[in-house]
Amino acid sequence: EIVMTQSPATLSVSPGERATLSCRASQSVSSNLAWYQQKPGQAPRLLIYGASTRATGIPARFSGRGSGTEFTLTISSLQSEDFAVYYCQQYNNWPPYTFGQGTKLEIK
Amino acid sequence: EVQLVQSGAEVKKPGESLRISCKVSGYSFTSYWIGWVRQMPGKGLEWMAFFYPADSEAKYSPSFQGQVTISVDKSISTAYLQWSSLKASDTAMYYCARPRSPGSRMSAFDYWGQGTLVTVSS
Repeated sequence: EIVMTQSPATLSVSPGERATLSCRASQSVSSNLAWYQQKPGQAPRLLIYGASTRATGIPARFSGRGSGTEFTLTISSLQSEDFAVYYCQQYNNWPPYTFGQGTKLEIK
Repeated sequence: EVQLVQSGAEVKKPGESLRISCKVSGYSFTSYWIGWVRQMPGKGLEWMAFFYPADSEAKYSPSFQGQVTISVDKSISTAYLQWSSLKASDTAMYYCARPRSPGSRMSAFDYWGQGTLVTVSS
């Protein structure tokens, strides 16, 4: 099973600032990496797929980079609605597809 | 408009059986895999299983193999997740989800149901 490790567990950032979230895979997942946003009481929302492609309707302030085992999600200028939990997920190897443990992005 | 609408919250006792549902609309049900994801209280996301309605192929994560059964009713575009004997540790939110790419599991999942909360308590 591929283990996805996200860091940091919690990130405190002020609105308007940049946030960078990291995700590391225990073995290569190529570019088969997605990022999801989850707010309390809501289902996950796809932000990025293929490591760097924004999903439909996702603002340009969200960007993804990386391949192989190292990935980042950057939010260039945080808006109030961006404070949430973010998960990375590999869909390169089944079984199973695995998520990271999540990074909670909170207001500083 | 693509929609995945899940059945309502359930409260069950240990040992009881349960089937929850995910009714889809807005796309060809048989053209896409459908998956189920578990989220235990205050915890992260875990893939459980996938089903391909076109050929009835099911794939289970090892952690969930033998613990749940995934099925569909193509006539009503609905997927199901079923337990034969619930445990307290099955208490969680369960989401169904559809991948971006037709015919492929190897894809990010862009449409999600709203979730079904299952509570198992004596």
